[in-house]
Amino acid sequence: SAVISQKPSRDICQRGTSLTIQCQVDSQVTMMFWYRQQPGQSLTLIATANQGSEATYESGFVIDKFPISRPNLTFSTLTVSNMSPEDSSIYLCSATPSGGGTDTQYFGPGTRLTVL
Amino acid sequence: DAKTTQPPSMDCAEGRAANLPCNHSTISGNEYVYWYRQIHSQGPQYIIHGLKNNETNEMASLIITEDRKSSTLILPHATLRDTAVYYCNLGSQGNLIFGKGTKLSVKP
Repeated sequence: SAVISQKPSRDICQRGTSLTIQCQVDSQVTMMFWYRQQPGQSLTLIATANQGSEATYESGFVIDKFPISRPNLTFSTLTVSNMSPEDSSIYLCSATPSGGGTDTQYFGPGTRLTVL
Repeated sequence: DAKTTQPPSMDCAEGRAANLPCNHSTISGNEYVYWYRQIHSQGPQYIIHGLKNNETNEMASLIITEDRKSSTLILPHATLRDTAVYYCNLGSQGNLIFGKGTKLSVKP
């Protein structure tokens, strides 16, 4: 398994600003992902964070709104840009440990974002 | 859209087995069935996964039908701490599609 931490755990932001969320894994992982969970809803995949190259975004999510970086095998950031109240959600990072022979994803605790 | 269908909620008495069903009639040959749970205000916790055969670990058992169109997660002796939303998901090659989940309430 992998232990995943996220910073910040929660934040309250003003409309029009941007927030960068950090995700740190305690061991090397092959794949890292970012999800959004809107209030009372299930998780929706935003993108796959690729090391050393541009992230792969799911339908409905674009790089200008959710820029993602992954500079090494254990760290990634997600930025929520030009925020509006509709961006109020929990943002979750997940990762797949390398060498485990499995695609099982392990999740961080999430970042609870409120946009006023 | 989610590829799995789960009842929105279920109740279970403490100490009894909790059987959570999931339908995935359009599952592809290379897709695994993954179960996660999410306790309020926490990130999803991995429980178990399987492809064709039944699986068991220290947390639960997973029963997959022969045609792979449905599965059941079994918590053999539910406790109050098992109260959570349980997600039945399909995944392959690292990608995971979350279902809508079943809110399980374990009652004393």
